[in-house]
Amino acid sequence: QSVLTQPPSASGTPGQRVTISCSGSSSNIGSNTVNWYQQLPGSTPKLLVYNDNQRPSGVPDRFSGSQSGTSASLAIGGLQSEDEADYFCAAWDASLNGVLFGGGTKLTVL
Amino acid sequence: LQLQESGPGLVKPSETLSLTCTVSGDSISRSNYFWGWIRKPPGRGLEWIGTISYSGSTYYNPSLKSRVTMSVDTSKNQFSLRLSSVTAADTAVYYCARPLAGSPRDAFDVWGQGTMVTVSS
Repeated sequence: QSVLTQPPSASGTPGQRVTISCSGSSSNIGSNTVNWYQQLPGSTPKLLVYNDNQRPSGVPDRFSGSQSGTSASLAIGGLQSEDEADYFCAAWDASLNGVLFGGGTKLTVL
Repeated sequence: LQLQESGPGLVKPSETLSLTCTVSGDSISRSNYFWGWIRKPPGRGLEWIGTISYSGSTYYNPSLKSRVTMSVDTSKNQFSLRLSSVTAADTAVYYCARPLAGSPRDAFDVWGQGTMVTVSS
């Protein structure tokens, strides 16, 4: 079964660096690029990182993505209170012939 | 580019959920664009429903494929979602979205604001 696994929660204090992981398999992360979305409370999902490590215009460089093998990570540096949100990874899955989303990670800024 | 979902907010169990996404600021029939639907059930994560090209090529989530139909209406600059035989498990916020470039594999960079659909009698 194709699954992207994320930790359900993560936390950090202002100014800290936090990393959120996304674990997949050869049919998704291992053979396709990873995208990351941020969903602030009550808002629409926003594309944060695409193609493993590219940022859309307007996304601060505090947000960075990386990929290695069948896993990917989103790093948030200089954590700010407004970063408190749900974060989702996603990738194309060859077995599904479709898009697979991770379960999401709720980031709390302490 | 802006996307706007529309449709009933309440659907009865066993009936068909129908939503439309109106595209403004660009033509839906550009040959290199695809258009998608994603949903988020309350308290759960995002779930991809399907993606369609302007010419009608479709990619559906296998778990929903038997109940999903997507279509494009180029004359109205809209694309649509139909989900049949709905149950309470289909209660969710439904988003329409556009992949970044000319592939269904691309990230969704433009999203509609979402519309809440509740399945209840």
